[in-house]
Amino acid sequence: GAVVSQHPSRVICKSGTSVKIECRSLDFQATTMFWYRQFPKQSLMLMATSNEGSKATYEQGVEKDKFLINHASLTLSTLTVTSAHPEDSSFYICSARGKASGGSTDTQYFGPGTRLTVL
Amino acid sequence: GQSLEQPSEVTAVEGAIVQINCTYQTSGFYGLSWYQQHDGGAPTFLSYNALDGLEETGRFSSFLSRSDSYGYLLLQELQMKDSASYFCAQWNTGFQKLVFGTGTRLLVSP
Repeated sequence: GAVVSQHPSRVICKSGTSVKIECRSLDFQATTMFWYRQFPKQSLMLMATSNEGSKATYEQGVEKDKFLINHASLTLSTLTVTSAHPEDSSFYICSARGKASGGSTDTQYFGPGTRLTVL
Repeated sequence: GQSLEQPSEVTAVEGAIVQINCTYQTSGFYGLSWYQQHDGGAPTFLSYNALDGLEETGRFSSFLSRSDSYGYLLLQELQMKDSASYFCAQWNTGFQKLVFGTGTRLLVSP
């Protein structure tokens, strides 16, 4: 089946620093990639949607200058949390949509998530 | 906009049957999906209902009633490993994004 990877799986940083999270689709080309944020015991909240080569579409209330998304290729998207603060501590999950090898329809696949802790 | 409401928590014992409900409000409808998420893990796809009725996949079944804007996930022969959070989810108009429900935490006890 299709696999989506994220790196790093866990990161701890100091307040004010920036953190980059990578999301890769390993065996298929992702037409669209999505970034979600999940606080403890809460649901997944969509932050932004990105298509390769174009600017990301951010959900209402998500600061585009703070959460920079780059979707440089059909297999890689990055989320950079700039000037991170403790309230940005969360579980960040990427998702990629595309046709896996042998598949006939677009399906959404989720990455394993990145746990960000800002001290 | 879209909103999908679920009970926050459900408890059951091993071997039992449990139903997790999902009621939704949406301007367009493109099917209802169900995901399982263990603590610290990624959501994993369980089932999808595009039309009314029951879809069965092993111990898990999912039901949809579009006229009632309602669906549920039925888990049978519960096992301890089924303790997890369960989310209903729905695509928005044009399949541009997948919106998740509020989530239900299932606790299975011996």
